[in-house]
Amino acid sequence: EAGVAQSPRYKIIEKRQSVAFWCNPISGHATLYWYQQILGQGPKLLIQFQNNGVVDDSQLPKDRFSAERLKGVDSTLKIQPAKLEDSAVYLCASSLEVPGLAGVKDTQYFGPGTRLTVL
Amino acid sequence: AQTVTQSQPEMSVQEAETVTLSCTYDTSENNYYLFWYKQPPSRQMILVIRQEAYKQQNATENRFSVNFQKAAKSFSLKISDSQLGDTAMYFCAFMKLTGTASKLTFGTGTRLQVTL
Repeated sequence: EAGVAQSPRYKIIEKRQSVAFWCNPISGHATLYWYQQILGQGPKLLIQFQNNGVVDDSQLPKDRFSAERLKGVDSTLKIQPAKLEDSAVYLCASSLEVPGLAGVKDTQYFGPGTRLTVL
Repeated sequence: AQTVTQSQPEMSVQEAETVTLSCTYDTSENNYYLFWYKQPPSRQMILVIRQEAYKQQNATENRFSVNFQKAAKSFSLKISDSQLGDTAMYFCAFMKLTGTASKLTFGTGTRLQVTL
């Protein structure tokens, strides 16, 4: 079974530039997550999708970050414009959660991440 | 809000020895999952073990086992017969089971070095 795919693996940009990350979850996984992991810290959730709907985006800095999952499969995360403090690893994860059944949770499986450096 | 604390930033163990990584958490929830994830230098988070809070029996997965103390809100990971490939950052994580959101709340991690 193929795992969670992410691209690119590395990205270096200047501050105020834009950047986009792509994620393809495990086949059949309805729920997709984007996490931000700053060096020396544990990952922090940015946004959770269930199919193509947003479940939780309370920690997403909406003035500069946006994310979409148009067909309920692949997802993109965009930063525009980037700041120095956005330098981090961006992790995508997916889980086989049953949409609409609150309380039915499952293990999250992570992709290899994208390391973003903002200069 | 939930918090997860890992009080050991770094640990070292010799190959074939046993090591225990500590984790405590704070929550008012009664039903939740706890996880240990491993993150090697490749950066990919790999699930090591999962524990459901309603289960009294401690989870085991080959050389990995947990000591889950619900009343004390403690969830330690024991690695037996340590191998060089176990060298990685280890993160303890909490997931509550109420509501539709299912984010993981992570600790700050413990860096484990396995030496010859």
